[in-house]
Amino acid sequence: DQQVKQNSPSLSVQEGRISILNCDYTNSMFDYFLWYKKYPAEGPTFLISISSIKDKNEDGRFTVFLNKSAKHLSLHIVPSQPGDSAVYFCAASANTGNQFYFGTGTSLTVIP
Amino acid sequence: EAGVAQSPRYKIIEKRQSVAFWCNPISGHATLYWYQQILGQGPKLLIQFQNNGVVDDSQLPKDRFSAERLKGVDSTLKIQPAKLEDSAVYLCASRSPGFSYEQYFGPGTRLTVT
Repeated sequence: DQQVKQNSPSLSVQEGRISILNCDYTNSMFDYFLWYKKYPAEGPTFLISISSIKDKNEDGRFTVFLNKSAKHLSLHIVPSQPGDSAVYFCAASANTGNQFYFGTGTSLTVIP
Repeated sequence: EAGVAQSPRYKIIEKRQSVAFWCNPISGHATLYWYQQILGQGPKLLIQFQNNGVVDDSQLPKDRFSAERLKGVDSTLKIQPAKLEDSAVYLCASRSPGFSYEQYFGPGTRLTVT
């Protein structure tokens, strides 16, 4: 049972434009969310997080939005750069923050 | 600060053989995780350690998988005997004490079972 879903396996965006990556979850107990970025042959690296007490968190070009009623979060990258081309995973955790459930990932390609 | 180290990076074995993976977390990180990532899927938690104690191993196939973290630092994950469906990348991650939930991942070990 997939509790965290990323329904778009891939996304292509022109350099300089906005990239929007989406993530849906089913467990209403999830209260902490993370986005990871993964390059080929490397482990995932942390990008940005958000707690359920917030609806937005911003870090430079990256902004995460959380819509608790819709059980939906999104990652916005503005402006997109070719170096942003990678697979992006969202992950969610309930209460303790110990076990994170990961989505299946979205492969972003930023076209120069 | 050195990152999470894993070895080997790649391993090819035949089904029914045994294999072991090693992980060295970031110094001072008490929490250590092993994940299995099958191609096209997200990482799935196999086991979580807090120091040398197991916190969660509910998704570890205990009939064939085992893991230990002696002295609360390095960890090994073993598969015995391996099945074709064990082909995956095995990721180790660690987390620092405190409020941050950020996990630091190693590069992973790609296992192919033939």
